[in-house]
Amino acid sequence: DQQVKQNSPSLSVQEGRISILNCDYTNSMFDYFLWYKKYPAEGPTFLISISSIKDKNEDGRFTVFLNKSAKHLSLHIVPSQPGDSAVYFCAASTSGNTPLVFGKGTRLSVIA
Amino acid sequence: EAQVTQNPRYLITVTGKKLTVTCSQNMNHEYMSWYRQDPGLGLRQIYYSMNVEVTDKGDVPEGYKVSRKEKRNFPLILESPSPNQTSLYFCASSFWGGQPQHFGDGTRLSIL
Repeated sequence: DQQVKQNSPSLSVQEGRISILNCDYTNSMFDYFLWYKKYPAEGPTFLISISSIKDKNEDGRFTVFLNKSAKHLSLHIVPSQPGDSAVYFCAASTSGNTPLVFGKGTRLSVIA
Repeated sequence: EAQVTQNPRYLITVTGKKLTVTCSQNMNHEYMSWYRQDPGLGLRQIYYSMNVEVTDKGDVPEGYKVSRKEKRNFPLILESPSPNQTSLYFCASSFWGGQPQHFGDGTRLSIL
């Protein structure tokens, strides 16, 4: 049973436009959410996170939105750049020392 | 430089020949974890360790062993590798389980 779902395996966006990556979760106990970015031949790198006490967190071009009632979060990248082309993983955890649960990833292609 | 180091980066071997993938981190992290990444399946956790001598199964532990005798090292052992263990493996670490994890650059295993 997948607790964290990324339903779009891939997404193509024009350079300069907004990229929106979506993630849904089923476990209502999740209270901490993260996004990772992965380039080929490298390990995933942490991008941005959000706690369930917030509904938005921003870091430069990257903003994560959390809708707890819908059990949905999204990552917005504005403006998108070719260097943003990568696989993006959504992950979630509960308070305390519990493992992260990852989604299957969405491959973003930013076209120049 | 803070890092998670995995060795080897690439390995081609044959069914049944025991192998060990080493993982070492220099950040004094308590929590370490192993994942495998397969096309269409995302990142799946194999085993994790919350502290020295404390290990626990993740989502796909069958066919793998781990040990955590020292804080910095967390080797992944395949006692009798099989072709279905051909995959890209990542080691990760963090101060505790729900935090953003630092990932190694991956080990690509091919088992013939």
